This record gives sequence, C-alpha cells and structure tokens, in this order.
Amino acid sequence: DTGVSQDPRHKITKRGQNVTFRCDPISEHNRLYWYRQTLGQGPEFLTYFQNEAQLEKSRLLSDRFSAERPKGSFSTLEIQRTEQGDSAMYLCASRPTTGFGYTFGSGTRLTVV
Amino acid sequence: QQPVQSPQAVILREGEDAVINCSSSKALYSVHWYRQKHGEAPVFLMILLKGGEQKGHEKISASFNEKKQQSSLYLTASQLSYSGTYFCGTEHYGGATNKLIFGTGTLLAVQP
Repeated sequence: DTGVSQDPRHKITKRGQNVTFRCDPISEHNRLYWYRQTLGQGPEFLTYFQNEAQLEKSRLLSDRFSAERPKGSFSTLEIQRTEQGDSAMYLCASRPTTGFGYTFGSGTRLTVV
Repeated sequence: QQPVQSPQAVILREGEDAVINCSSSKALYSVHWYRQKHGEAPVFLMILLKGGEQKGHEKISASFNEKKQQSSLYLTASQLSYSGTYFCGTEHYGGATNKLIFGTGTLLAVQP
C-alpha cells in the first residue's frame, strides 16, 4: 500500500492550453474523489467515482472539466482551455466505502499564466 | 451548505487545550476531521458516525451531537506538531452521503 499518488506535482500552463492530471488511488479503494483547493479555503468537491462509474459531478464544474476512471483503477482529470481562475491545488482522495476516512494524495498544483 | 467552523484561528502555548466547533445547517450522516499542514494534503484524524459518538486519537478527541447538527474537536495538552489547519467534513442524508463537504477551516498555531 503506497498511498494515493498524483502526477504531476506541479503544472504551469499558459491560458487556453489543456492540462491533464493523473491519480492512482489505493488499490482496494473503490471510491475516488477529486477536490480543488485554493489558498485559505477548504477543499471543494469536484467529482466522485465508484469503481469506473462517475456518480456525481459538482454543479459548479464547467463543461471544460472532465474526469475518467477507466477500469475502476487510476483516474484522470482534464481541464480544457484553462483560465487563470483554474489556478489551484487539485486533490485526489480515495476510500474503500462510506464509513471510512479519505486518504488524500499530495495534490497537483496548477498555475495558469 | 458548507459547514461553519469556529474559531477561525487560535494561538496556543504548548500544553494548552483547544476546542474547535463545526456546525451544519443540514442533518448529518457523519462528520470527519482532518488536519492540513502548510503545503501538504489533508490528513484524516477521525470519523464520527452516530449521534453522541465520541472518538479519540492520542490527545485529540471529538464528539458528535446529531440533534444539534454539530461536532467538536478537542485538543488537550497541545504539542507543536498539532499546528496546522483543521477541517471538518460532513456527509448528509438524502442521497448526499457519497461526498464530504469541507468546512471553513480553523488555523491552529501552537507556540513553544
């Protein structure tokens, strides 16, 4: 059990470019979550997978954001046509089921210039 | 819908105690508590699933008042390592038990 891994740790991109982040959850955890966190704020929910099914997506999330979890293993989060407001820490977390705490990855810090 | 935490910030001397409160406007299914140090990911401390449940983690414990839709985190005999930002996370009934909604956060600084 190596914990939740996220890649890359840091990403600097120009406005308008597309970016993709990867998350590898703990292998026996079937629930995977993406959150976004800005400085001084708590993590904000983006989307949730149970195995390969994306069961919930935040209404705050624009159509520029998409996430996948093929085969119920790793997950990717893509942001198209990035904007400066997308700059944030993107956190991935997993857990085996409800009733358990989340294990967070170290996050991907996105800076849009 | 975001749970409200109080206080927003607290400064302690080593060995002092602190209480952090988390209040929700919606009925609670569970409450989680996490600690996040600067530049790091949140770390899970404990989960409370039943009304009135209390749990402990070293000198950190928590209570859950389901009726009042509140939870409190108790830090006793604080250590320097307790410094960080504490977040509660809430899960709710009515189909919303699949995700945490994180609170506003409480910054805790423990000084020697």
